[in-house]
Amino acid sequence: DIVMTQSPDSLAVSLGERATVNCKSSQSLLYSSNNKNYLAWYQQKSGQPPKLLIYWASTRESGVPDRFRGSGSGTDFTLTINSLQAEDVAVYYCQQYYSTPDTFGQGTKLEI
Amino acid sequence: EVQLVESGGDLVQPGRSLRLSCVASGFIFDDYGMHWVRQTPGKGLEWVSGITSESDYLDYGDSVKGRFTISRDNGKNTLYLQMNSLRPEDTALYYCARGKTGTDAFDIWGQGTLVTVSS
Repeated sequence: DIVMTQSPDSLAVSLGERATVNCKSSQSLLYSSNNKNYLAWYQQKSGQPPKLLIYWASTRESGVPDRFRGSGSGTDFTLTINSLQAEDVAVYYCQQYYSTPDTFGQGTKLEI
Repeated sequence: EVQLVESGGDLVQPGRSLRLSCVASGFIFDDYGMHWVRQTPGKGLEWVSGITSESDYLDYGDSVKGRFTISRDNGKNTLYLQMNSLRPEDTALYYCARGKTGTDAFDIWGQGTLVTVSS
């Protein structure tokens, strides 16, 4: 199975500042035939199910604010949240869907 | 409104069985692959099982293979998870999730149903 490792486990960022969450996979998630990275990012607020933010490593899901940005390729990926808002407090997860079973990172807790 | 509503979670003894259901609404159910994902405080998010739109391909995580069976009834817009030989480590919040077209990301999630396996 592909192991997904996120860092840090938690971070605290001031309102209006930038938050950066990293995700590393144990093998490349880049599929050479279509040049796509099979990686997604989710946001989970307390008491709610996860919400899809980003797929194909950098494509924002419809309705997701553009302050959320996904980047990276191969085995190293980053979720950047610019101009942090109070409503961004959540746990963020990365997920690989390159190969079955789909696997998730352990989560990064973002606080203000 | 696009929605997934799970049910069937319960407290059950080890070795017993349970069937979860997930009713979909607000979209054409048989256009989408569907999945079960579970969450525990200790192990985080774990993909459990997935099924294609026409049930022609099913897949399972290693921890549930041979014990759990995924199925769907497109006429009833319902996804199922039959769980047999339950173990304490199956204790989790079970989510139903829709597979985003063309990807295996999960774009719609239910609120989850809690399964507790304990004597």
